[in-house]
Amino acid sequence: AQSVTQLGSHVSVSEGALVLLRCNYSSSVPPYLFWYVQYPNQGLQLLLKYTTGATLVKGINGFEAEFKKSETSFHLTKPSAHMSDAAEYFCAVRDGSGYSTLTFGKGTMLLVSP
Amino acid sequence: SAVISQKPSRDICQRGTSLTIQCQVDSQVTMMFWYRQQPGQSLTLIATANQGSEATYESGFVIDKFPISRPNLTFSTLTVSNMSPEDSSIYLCSVEGGNTEAFFGQGTRLTVV
Repeated sequence: AQSVTQLGSHVSVSEGALVLLRCNYSSSVPPYLFWYVQYPNQGLQLLLKYTTGATLVKGINGFEAEFKKSETSFHLTKPSAHMSDAAEYFCAVRDGSGYSTLTFGKGTMLLVSP
Repeated sequence: SAVISQKPSRDICQRGTSLTIQCQVDSQVTMMFWYRQQPGQSLTLIATANQGSEATYESGFVIDKFPISRPNLTFSTLTVSNMSPEDSSIYLCSVEGGNTEAFFGQGTRLTVV
């Protein structure tokens, strides 16, 4: 079975500071990994994904994440936070060996202060 | 990518009543998915809906409580039946993209009073 752990239900940063949202996963086979963002009163939007190939993946809005197999991690980063980044972020995993459902982490609310 | 429209976007319902949520996709898709997001929680898959067959429900969800219709390749409905306050959640419709990612509707924010 696959699972996702997101460390910290809330992360607070100042505008311009580094954003780091942590995600660890477990999967019995090579995973597909995703980060989604949910703005208030909206659905989920895909930020970025890792399937195969380069382990550092870049997404929209300046976010990137690095797949580290040895650490079973897929942390999300952004060098400089903007007020508009305030939202909830979900890490998700899918079994990459064939069809499987997405398993989501509990989410991390990013708060950005001026 | 797929564009998914969900209706209603929000509703406040009396306990004991039922609400049907509609999901329309701008392209034909084989499978559609329904998720529940309870307050402060992550997304939990309710069921997978294939056109022309019964929906497949995840553990803890039953057809009598969450009947699903899938009349064609672009449309699905989820009904939340005999509602109680514990059913207050965001309900999300989703489809799969070609590269394994999922696309989501805006969600239906349901409050049961």
